[in-house]
Amino acid sequence: ILNVEQSPQSLHVQEGDSTNFTCSFPSSNFYALHWYRWETAKSPEALFVMTLNGDEKKKGRISATLNTKEGYSYLYIKGSQPEDSATYLCAFVTDKLIFGTGTRLQVFP
Amino acid sequence: SQTIHQWPATLVQPVGSPLSLECTVEGTSNPNLYWYRQAAGRGLQLLFYSVGIGQISSEVPQNLSASRPQDRQFILSSKKLLLSDSGFYLCAWSGQGQETQYFGPGTRLLVL
Repeated sequence: ILNVEQSPQSLHVQEGDSTNFTCSFPSSNFYALHWYRWETAKSPEALFVMTLNGDEKKKGRISATLNTKEGYSYLYIKGSQPEDSATYLCAFVTDKLIFGTGTRLQVFP
Repeated sequence: SQTIHQWPATLVQPVGSPLSLECTVEGTSNPNLYWYRQAAGRGLQLLFYSVGIGQISSEVPQNLSASRPQDRQFILSSKKLLLSDSGFYLCAWSGQGQETQYFGPGTRLLVL
């Protein structure tokens, strides 16, 4: 059984703070890792597809890094805003997506 | 552009009643289609996926079933709902050979 773990489970930060959280996945037979953002009352939305060890991808204030040798990916949010409040999911790609349980981020004004 | 529809948005059903949730995709052909469930306090669990009409793969043994009668239509069904079927059901699609999945708006199901 493949295990994809995310930590922390939840995070509360003040507006303007920078934050990061972790996705851990099996380091063998790596193909790709996805990050999704899931806002309350909306559908999960794809953020990044990470494929190469050492990859770093950026979208606005959000960036992600990938270490396939040790089996982890970090998601960073610089200068958090209330609209960043959401659950952030990572998904390990096999013949399907294996999702982690997510990190629930709340940003307080 | 591609869009994905799910209905109904919310549903309250008694235990033992049947279920039918529908998902349709527009703007693409021959998509891979998926049904996920998020139970309270848990992550997204893949229930079924389909790579073509009439082709269904089941991930978790349960009293649910799925069908794909048309290329862009995916239906989740049950003959008799259980309390444990309560949750948030998401349909998703991806292109053939592309792993990024695009999710529908979801159906919140409460079984009483």
